[in-house]
Amino acid sequence: GAVVSQHPSRVICKSGTSVKIECRSLDFQATTMFWYRQFPKKSLMLMATSNEGSKATYEQGVEKDKFLINHASLTLSTLTVTSAHPEDSSFYICSARDPRDEQYFGPGTRLTVT
Amino acid sequence: AQKVTQAQTEISVVEKEDVTLDCVYETRDTTYYLFWYKQPPSGELVFLIRRNSFDEQNEISGRYSWNFQKSTSSFNFTITASQVVDSAVYFCALAGYNQGGKLIFGQGTELSVKP
Repeated sequence: GAVVSQHPSRVICKSGTSVKIECRSLDFQATTMFWYRQFPKKSLMLMATSNEGSKATYEQGVEKDKFLINHASLTLSTLTVTSAHPEDSSFYICSARDPRDEQYFGPGTRLTVT
Repeated sequence: AQKVTQAQTEISVVEKEDVTLDCVYETRDTTYYLFWYKQPPSGELVFLIRRNSFDEQNEISGRYSWNFQKSTSSFNFTITASQVVDSAVYFCALAGYNQGGKLIFGQGTELSVKP
């Protein structure tokens, strides 16, 4: 089956620094990727839709300058958390949509900001 | 607006019991998709099923079964003869046909199966 990878799986960073998370579709081209955020014991909340070659579409309430999304190729989307603060600590999950509209989730990245 | 409600926050059962996880959804789309995902402690989402809004047939896959009822906007999930390995958080999700693949998740139900 299709595989989506995320890197890193875990990251700890200091407050004020920026962190980049990569989402890759390993065996298919994904014109659309999605970024979700999940707080402990909570649901997944869609942050943004990432389209290859165009600007990401952010959900209401998500700061686009805080969470920079780049979909540089058909197999890679990146989420950069800029000037991270402890409240940005969360589990970030990406998903990629294949040409048949099937959606595959990455394993997630656990971000801890100290 | 689209919304998914999983009213059961936590369920605890003893191994071999049957358990049903409820899911109620709201959407104005006439065509939509419903999903169930399993999230074990590792955090990775495991796809279980996708159901098209035009297909109301119930589905069975091993110990898993799903009951889709448009009349009540429900898509319930039953695990028969539960096992300890079924312990996880289960999410129901909705995607409107014209929503570009965006998934709206329910709050999740944490299932604990005790030996």
